[in-house]
Amino acid sequence: GAVVSQHPSWVICKSGTSVKIECRSLDFQATTMFWYRQFPKQSLMLMATSNEGSKATYEQGVEKDKFLINHASLTLSTLTVTSAHPEDSSFYICSATTLGSRRLKYNEQFFGPGTRLTVL
Amino acid sequence: GQNIDQPTEMTATEGAIVQINCTYQTSGFNGLFWYQQHAGEAPTFLSYNVLDGLEEKGRFSSFLSRSKGYSYLLLKELQMKDSASYLCAFSNMDSSYKLIFGSGTRLLVRP
Repeated sequence: GAVVSQHPSWVICKSGTSVKIECRSLDFQATTMFWYRQFPKQSLMLMATSNEGSKATYEQGVEKDKFLINHASLTLSTLTVTSAHPEDSSFYICSATTLGSRRLKYNEQFFGPGTRLTVL
Repeated sequence: GQNIDQPTEMTATEGAIVQINCTYQTSGFNGLFWYQQHAGEAPTFLSYNVLDGLEEKGRFSSFLSRSKGYSYLLLKELQMKDSASYLCAFSNMDSSYKLIFGSGTRLLVRP
């Protein structure tokens, strides 16, 4: 299967600071990356869909000015949590896919290992 | 509208069989995925169904009925390591093939 990495795997920051999380597809070119957030004992909630070279599409209720997404290349997308607050503490997971690829069956999404953010 | 529903928790015995159900409602349906997620880790792909019927893969099988908006994941010969959350999700071709996840079913396998 395809490999997706995330960096950092965990981060602790002070309230009011900004945190950048990177998502990389290591062995394939991802036209589309998705960002999810997961609170303890809850399922994955899609935050936004990111297509290479275009603006991200945010889900209802997700503040685009707070969660900045950049997908500048086919192998890298970044999520920046601006002015983070304790309520932003969560597990952030990205996934990557290439729509219409013969290699990736079913438009399958490959998930990164996740980034645990703790805001003090 | 779109929604997806699965039980919150299930308990089963090592060596037994367990079936986890999932019901969904959506337009533009493009397949039903099952993922396994251990605590603190990312989901890992288990199965995909887009046509009606049963797909078998080793100890795991997945079933889909599109007319009923229903799927299940069947786990046979349960092992302790199967204790995890199992997430069903549907893909929607009307929305960039994004996945909409259910709340997840936490499965506890007991000796």
